[in-house]
Amino acid sequence: DAGITQSPRHKVTETGTPVTLRCHQTENHRYMYWYRQDPGHGLRLIHYSYGVKDTDKGEVSDGYSVSRSKTEDFLLTLESATSSQTSVYFCATGPGLGETQYFGPGTRLLVL
Amino acid sequence: AQSVTQPDIHITVSEGASLELRCNYSYGATPYLFWYVQSPGQGLQLLLKYFSGDTLVQGIKGFEAEFKRSQSSFNLRKPSVHWSDAAEYFCAVAVSGGYQKVTFGTGTKLQVIP
Repeated sequence: DAGITQSPRHKVTETGTPVTLRCHQTENHRYMYWYRQDPGHGLRLIHYSYGVKDTDKGEVSDGYSVSRSKTEDFLLTLESATSSQTSVYFCATGPGLGETQYFGPGTRLLVL
Repeated sequence: AQSVTQPDIHITVSEGASLELRCNYSYGATPYLFWYVQSPGQGLQLLLKYFSGDTLVQGIKGFEAEFKRSQSSFNLRKPSVHWSDAAEYFCAVAVSGGYQKVTFGTGTKLQVIP
């Protein structure tokens, strides 16, 4: 299995505070992704990266930013958390187009 | 843009019965197609994938899927369901060309009853 870890695994925060989630991979995959999973919506892509310092928006990017300064790390920042951002966040990595994506264990975020 | 539809939100089958989960996609060309499974509290795991060639693909845990271009479908099947197959199943599509972006369906939750 691809080595993908996410931290923290659980977080409770208050509306208006910034939050950063970290994804770390040991597989040297080029692509990294952040998804959120909500009931009835499946997985929705927030942002993705196709290389160091190369990122692009997904379908639900408003209120989120990302950074990738090293191949192995992909950070997701909620600039000012809102209750609508309460969700389970999954990081995924992949070696290339059409290839399998490997998922981390997820981070449960509760915004009060 | 590509899209994926899983028309069944929830399916219940008896242990030992056959299973078919439906997936339809919308895309002009032949996409890359995937089925993932998610057990409660876990991340997603790949069951199988289709890129080209034989339209019937075999995956892990005894699952298979058939790509039907004429129906824009990629249905997942298993001849005999086990209680451990209870999970949520996601169909996904990735377009060819450009950067790798994958669109997931909304998932089908499978319940297995004795």
